[in-house]
Amino acid sequence: AQKITQTQPGMFVQEKEAVTLDCTYDTSDPSYGLFWYKQPSSGEMIFLIYQGSYDQQNATEGRYSLNFQKARKSANLVISASQLGDSAMYFCAMREGPGSNYQLIWGAGTKLIIKP
Amino acid sequence: NAGVTQTPKFQVLKTGQSMTLQCAQDMNHNSMYWYRQDPGMGLRLIYYSASEGTTDKGEVPNGYNVSRLNKREFSLRLESAAPSQTSVYFCASFGAEGRNYGYTFGSGTRLTVV
Repeated sequence: AQKITQTQPGMFVQEKEAVTLDCTYDTSDPSYGLFWYKQPSSGEMIFLIYQGSYDQQNATEGRYSLNFQKARKSANLVISASQLGDSAMYFCAMREGPGSNYQLIWGAGTKLIIKP
Repeated sequence: NAGVTQTPKFQVLKTGQSMTLQCAQDMNHNSMYWYRQDPGMGLRLIYYSASEGTTDKGEVPNGYNVSRLNKREFSLRLESAAPSQTSVYFCASFGAEGRNYGYTFGSGTRLTVV
């Protein structure tokens, strides 16, 4: 079974609009962490934001916020006021507890294209 | 700058050739990982090393071997390359006290097997 599901293979968004990238996860481990990474065309993995399973507040990092709905096992990334430079692949990933040796499990990604 | 260094950045191999991808980190992290990324897919774990002297298989280990030479270095070897191993390979390290909630990625190696 898929542990991380990103249902949007691609998205087109008008510049300056907000965009939500979907991510659902599946785990029975009570201690886990959820990550979002950006991969531009140059190929490097850029860390964006992190949400721990015990965090009470939704994580925010500048224009990025994570809409964490624990009961629904959902961890959507929200980018406010999108910019042309936001065009990239976006990956959701999960780390389970220490027993998993801190492996990251990845979704298939969403290709985001920002239109001018 | 502290980080993960991968070499080479690009490589073309003929089917059946062997090569070793090198990875080194200077953050004193215990855990290191090798992932592969294929088009339309997320990263998949090939092998990992939880500490110096230990290695374990990940999701897709067939056709690969690894060596944790010391705490800094974790190499990935393709003994007899196949076209199915054409991919982008990422090395990563994890340290609980590190930035980015622990993970640091190398810049990747783009491997083509013809």
